[in-house]
Amino acid sequence: AQSVAQPEDQVNVAEGNPLTVKCTYSVSGNPYLFWYVQYPNRGLQFLLKYITGDNLVKGSYGFEAEFNKSQTSFHLKKPSALVSDSALYFCAVRDRWGKTGANNLFFGTGTRLTVIP
Amino acid sequence: DSGVTQTPKHLITATGQRVTLRCSPRSGDLSVYWYQQSLDQGLQFLIQYYNGEERAKGNILERFSAQQFPDLHSELNLSSLELGDSALYFCASSPRDVQGAVDEQFFGPGTRLTVL
Repeated sequence: AQSVAQPEDQVNVAEGNPLTVKCTYSVSGNPYLFWYVQYPNRGLQFLLKYITGDNLVKGSYGFEAEFNKSQTSFHLKKPSALVSDSALYFCAVRDRWGKTGANNLFFGTGTRLTVIP
Repeated sequence: DSGVTQTPKHLITATGQRVTLRCSPRSGDLSVYWYQQSLDQGLQFLIQYYNGEERAKGNILERFSAQQFPDLHSELNLSSLELGDSALYFCASSPRDVQGAVDEQFFGPGTRLTVL
């Protein structure tokens, strides 16, 4: 079965500092991995995805994520945090076609990022 | 704005009642997904439809059902409601559902259901 773990419920970082939000995954084969962000009273917004190829994926709003197969991780990063980045971040995994016949996402429990001015 | 619309935004009802949540996917998207977000369970996949047919089921209770209509909008029906059904229900859509496609899902703003 597929699953993702976000080991930190809360991450605090000072504005201008680099930020990292951690995610590890578990799938039986090669994964498709996603990051979404949720602002208060809003739906989830897609940030980026990893399918294959380059381990460093660039996404929206200056975010990037690094896929590490040996550590089964897909950490979200940003070189310089903004106060407006404060939100709830979700990592998600999707199994490859053929194993379940479906492409629904399995989400982590979320990490609340607070950027301190 | 993702292009996915959900109605109503808020719904307050009593235990034992039945409600219907509605979702209109982005123009051209054939797949619709329903997710439930609650404090204790996190974000959980309920069910997926593709072009009118059920494609996958997740942690959906037997009291819940869904369908996707010919115009591709979808409805999630929740019956015999319990206090524990109080949650935020999201609909998401994606363009395709074919082997090799890895389309991201676009989420609606959600319907907040409160069961009293």
